[in-house]
Amino acid sequence: QVQLQESGPGLVTPSETLSLSCSVSGASLGSLYWSWLRQPPGRGLEWLAHMQYSRSPKYNPSLRGRAAMSLDTAKNQFYLNLTSATAADTAVYFCATLLGSDNYNWFGPWGPGTLVTVSS
Amino acid sequence: DIQMTQSPLSLSASLGDRVTITCRASQSISNYVNWYQHRPGRAPKLLIYAASSLQTGVPSRFSGSGSGTDFTLTISNLQPEDFATYVCQQCFNTLFTFGQGTTLDIK
Repeated sequence: QVQLQESGPGLVTPSETLSLSCSVSGASLGSLYWSWLRQPPGRGLEWLAHMQYSRSPKYNPSLRGRAAMSLDTAKNQFYLNLTSATAADTAVYFCATLLGSDNYNWFGPWGPGTLVTVSS
Repeated sequence: DIQMTQSPLSLSASLGDRVTITCRASQSISNYVNWYQHRPGRAPKLLIYAASSLQTGVPSRFSGSGSGTDFTLTISNLQPEDFATYVCQQCFNTLFTFGQGTTLDIK
């Protein structure tokens, strides 16, 4: 059973880099696609990025080049860095697997999420 | 981007009721829609993929339908654990987008 757990800083100063990690158990990073999503307060879910080991990540264009996703197969963790953080980046951040078959894709399992607040 | 619009945004119902949640896509997306259940503080859970396929382990009181631009999630015989937020998501392209969510609470 695949399980994921996010870790984040809790509080980030505006203009700094928001760094997140996701620990994975029950699966090897090399075997699946991995993703990041977020939910700002009072708003809907937003897909941020996904990638597969040894392939280039894909990012939501709304992040305007501020995001960098990476995988560490030795630690079985993956990461998201979001530079130049603003209050608009305040959200609960989720990591999740990205599964699929026959051109259909869905997210799951997910981690429980971690709240990151961008504020001075 | 493909916009996903859910209605209603909130819904009150009683145990044993049947409820229907609607999701409308801003363009035709065949059956490339998934539905998730999200309880506060917990990981979202996939319920339905490809518009009508029930994820393994999800109770059969959950069902999905639709194609093109209009999709529905129906929950029959509401149980206490069903009171949560339900979210649709399109996978027609890999710029995945979600609906705003529909919060279902106990009347």
